[in-house]
Amino acid sequence: DGGITQSPKYLFRKEGQNVTLSCEQNLNHDAMYWYRQDPGQGLRLIYYSQIVNDFQKGDIAEGYSVSREKKESFPLTVTSAQKNPTAFYLCASSSSGRYNEQFFGPGTRLTVL
Amino acid sequence: AQKVTQAQTEISVVEKEDVTLDCVYETRDTTYYLFWYKQPPSGELVFLIRRNSFDEQNEISGRYSWNFQKSTSSFNFTITASQVVDSAVYFCALPFSGAGSYQLTFGKGTKLSVIP
Repeated sequence: DGGITQSPKYLFRKEGQNVTLSCEQNLNHDAMYWYRQDPGQGLRLIYYSQIVNDFQKGDIAEGYSVSREKKESFPLTVTSAQKNPTAFYLCASSSSGRYNEQFFGPGTRLTVL
Repeated sequence: AQKVTQAQTEISVVEKEDVTLDCVYETRDTTYYLFWYKQPPSGELVFLIRRNSFDEQNEISGRYSWNFQKSTSSFNFTITASQVVDSAVYFCALPFSGAGSYQLTFGKGTKLSVIP
């Protein structure tokens, strides 16, 4: 079955720790995205990548980092510099092209203790 | 600037009622697409429809229908005979302006609760 997997589903982090969220897709999509969702805020773009070894900042990139070493994988690291990291994180992918729909993973809920 | 407004934050309806979710957008593009996504309680966004700005005909898919009106910059979504399984947050989205950009601008979503 083709799709997007995110792990873990729930993640707890102590303040001051970095944590990495995994996102893998087997849809052969070139583009991948990370969104953050807070209650009542909709989805906000953190980073996106349109091709391997290249990525761009979205609207709220501060305190986050990404890598895109393989087409299938786009991990997101939430660093200690992120002031309020508790949120629901969604990964998505799409085929190349501006108007292609994005397909989403099941999400990771990160809670900072 | 791109903007998507979903003015209805939350809507509650009784099962079998019809309900319309509003989406108003702003774009400087002359050609564009619009999207609707559904986010059930499980959290994963599910793609519902993509619509080309050239095509203003209403789209119907089962109990779902979409009314695109370029003159009012609206792309409204109607669920006929709502069911409890329709309970979810629904997002309208619009691609960023500019060639080569794959980003989407999402509205803040409308939470629909269908009461049995």
